[in-house]
Parts: sequence; C-alpha cells; structure tokens
Amino acid sequence: KQEVTQIPAALSVPEGENLVLNCSFTDSAIYNLQWFRQDPGKGLTSLLLIQSSQREQTSGRLNASLDKSSGRSTLYIAASQPGDSATYLCAVRPNTGRRALTFGSGTRLQVQP
Amino acid sequence: DTAVSQTPKYLVTQMGNDKSIKCEQNLGHDTMYWYKQDSKKFLKIMFSYNNKELIINETVPNRFSPKSPDKAHLNLHINSLELGDSAVYFCASRPSGYSTDTQYFGPGTRLTVL
Repeated sequence: KQEVTQIPAALSVPEGENLVLNCSFTDSAIYNLQWFRQDPGKGLTSLLLIQSSQREQTSGRLNASLDKSSGRSTLYIAASQPGDSATYLCAVRPNTGRRALTFGSGTRLQVQP
Repeated sequence: DTAVSQTPKYLVTQMGNDKSIKCEQNLGHDTMYWYKQDSKKFLKIMFSYNNKELIINETVPNRFSPKSPDKAHLNLHINSLELGDSAVYFCASRPSGYSTDTQYFGPGTRLTVL
C-alpha cells in the first residue's frame, strides 16, 4: 500500500529565503507525482506535475524534482514571499490498478514579511 | 467563472440525518472524484466517476452514495450521518487521457456532525 510522507509538517521562514519541501513515497511504481497548494478554506491548486520519466519541472519560482528509484520528491521555492504561505501537498498516482491519487499530509508554510 | 463548484460550502447537521453535497464542473471533463480530508489533513479518495460510470469505490461505508446525473455533476449523498463523518469533502475533475493528468479541485464542503 502506497504511503506518502511530507517533512517538515510546518515551516516558518522570513521573506526572501529559498526553501525546500520534501515528499517521500514507499512504492516507486508511480505514473506521476503532483504538488498542490491549499489555501485555508479553499480547494487545491495544482502547481507542478512530474511524469515518472521526468526528473524535474519548473514553473516560475517553483522547481520540483523527482527521484523515483529512491521514492523522493522535493519542491524548491525561490525567494519566498508572504503570498506563498499555504499548505503544500504532494500526491502520487500509481501506474497500475485504479490509479487514484495518494496524498501526503502536507507541509504548512508560513512566510514572514 | 468557477471551474469546479460545490454546494454548500458549510454544512452543520445532527447525527442520524441524511444530507447531500453537490458538485458541478464546467470544464468539460470526463472524470470526477470525491475526496475526504480528515482532521489530520489527509486527503483520501472516496469515489471516481468516468462518463457517469463508477470506476473507483474505496472502502467507504455504504451510507455514502455518489450520483452522477450527467458528466458535469457528481453529487454525494450521505445517510444516517455519524460524528466521524465530520470532515472537509472535496470534489475534483480531470480530463480524459493520461497526457493531461492534472486534477482540478472544488473549494470543499466542511461538514460538521453534532
């Protein structure tokens, strides 16, 4: 059974810092991995999707990497801003079976102005 | 224009009641999902429908019954509500085909059972 773990559970940084969020998964037989952002009281917004054959994806100040064999992904946020404050969730989709997403419990990020 | 919408946003009800949550997407997607986010913030898949057909049904009590009247709607009906049903329920949709795998989420419905 796939398990997804995110470390740290919470993170507080001053504005302008570069930071890394970690995601690990137990079953490397994945089809893709996604990073989502969740704002309080809101739904999830997809940030980046990495296919299993890819090593990284970039969007603006965000860069996500994937090491499928070791079951790890990182989300790198450059020059953090207060508007980046949110909960970041990673989710993996298996490449067999019913292919439903398995989510981690998230990292709650607070960027201090 | 809201891509994936859910109603109501908040639902407070007594144990034993029956309630429904509605979901609509205007993205033309073929696949829709219901997820439950518990107090520990874990999001877990409950159901998935593709073109109005049930394709995923996780281990969910049969008090929960999804209904898809058409491709754009996936409603969730819950019978005999229990305290443990309190959570945030998210609807999501996705287009067909593995090349476009991004799921689009609704804003969530916070259900509180008293």
